[in-house]
Amino acid sequence: EAGVAQSPRYKIIEKRQSVAFWCNPISGHATLYWYQQILGQGPKLLIQFQNNGVVDDSQLPKDRFSAERLKGVDSTLKIQPAKLEDSAVYLCASSSRLGRGGYNNEQFFGPGTRLTVL
Amino acid sequence: DQQVKQNSPSLSVQEGRISILNCDYTNSMFDYFLWYKKYPAEGPTFLISISSIKDKNEDGRFTVFLNKSAKHLSLHIVPSQPGDSAVYFCAASMDSNYQLIWGAGTKLIIKP
Repeated sequence: EAGVAQSPRYKIIEKRQSVAFWCNPISGHATLYWYQQILGQGPKLLIQFQNNGVVDDSQLPKDRFSAERLKGVDSTLKIQPAKLEDSAVYLCASSSRLGRGGYNNEQFFGPGTRLTVL
Repeated sequence: DQQVKQNSPSLSVQEGRISILNCDYTNSMFDYFLWYKKYPAEGPTFLISISSIKDKNEDGRFTVFLNKSAKHLSLHIVPSQPGDSAVYFCAASMDSNYQLIWGAGTKLIIKP
């Protein structure tokens, strides 16, 4: 079974530029997550999709971040314009969970995209 | 407001000995806890989990203990092996909202 794919693996941009990250989840996984992990911290959820609908985007800085999941499969996360504090690893994860309840919270992660904003 | 805390940024253990990683939480509504392991340049991978109805879960060399009254959980690795060197994250969720809340991680170094 192929894992979660992300690209690019590394990106260096200057502040005020825009950047986009791509994620392809595990086939059949309905739920997709984007996390931001700043150095020395745990991952912070930015947005969660179930199929192509948004379940939770309460921590997404909507003035500069946007995300979409077309056709309930691949997803893109965009930052425009980037700030210095956006330097982090952006992780995509997917899980097979549908709906709420139950205890199967296992999420499968991609390798991440390391963003450096200069 | 850190709801999940891993107070030890790093831990060094001799190969073959027991590694104990600790995690504290503040939200009594959390009812499911997970440990993830992360190697450099890779995403976290699921290791072991425990629900609040249990106080212990074991999987091979890995055992997680949950003390609900103390809002504390720990991961025991016995015996520790060089391949266990990684960053270990504790995460928690509430069944009614399955978003994972993560600790900052503990870097485990296994010395040969």
